[in-house]
Amino acid sequence: EADIYQTPRYLVIGTGKKITLECSQTMGHDKMYWYQQDPGMELHLIHYSYGVNSTEKGDLSSESTVSRIRTEHFPLTLESARPSHTSQYLCASSDISDRPGYGYTFGSGTRLTVV
Amino acid sequence: GEDVEQSLFLSVREGDSSVINCTYTDSSSTYLYWYKQEPGAGLQLLTYIFSNMDMKQDQRLTVLLNKKDKHLSLRIADTQTGDSAIYFCADLILTGGGNKLTFGTGTQLKVEL
Repeated sequence: EADIYQTPRYLVIGTGKKITLECSQTMGHDKMYWYQQDPGMELHLIHYSYGVNSTEKGDLSSESTVSRIRTEHFPLTLESARPSHTSQYLCASSDISDRPGYGYTFGSGTRLTVV
Repeated sequence: GEDVEQSLFLSVREGDSSVINCTYTDSSSTYLYWYKQEPGAGLQLLTYIFSNMDMKQDQRLTVLLNKKDKHLSLRIADTQTGDSAIYFCADLILTGGGNKLTFGTGTQLKVEL
């Protein structure tokens, strides 16, 4: 079944550690996105990619980095985690140019806590 | 840039209708969407409407679009406790450089017995 997967679902990590949040999709979508979601609900786009070797920063500045070496994989990395990085991170993908009625498909999210 | 606004909270009784409202600023929006987010989960697409329509019904869900006022609403008939969630509206603007979905601020719906 075509889907989008995020791992881990929950992560508690100490300050200064390097972490990578994984996101994979099996739908062959060119476009992928990372959102950071506040406890107050609002979604902030932090990174997006329109295809392999394409990455762009989103509307909210983030210390994280992303890579897109394969179509299906869009990992997000924090080199040195800080408590201010504590948040929910949501990954999404789409082929919205061809099938706008499908919108974006979201993963289940990773809840990151930095202590 | 595009702005999409929603009220933060809505509380209704089980069995009543819920109406969640959304306003947007860019008149070139082509598709508008409603997403539902349950606690600890990602966003799930509920329904969408094309900008040349003014209404779309899908079982208990009715979407109304007033393009002149740039106002979108989602009506949930016979609201159930399982409808308690955060609801996001979003609009799609087609651009040459890439199509972008802009999400609203989210409305927390609480359904009380």
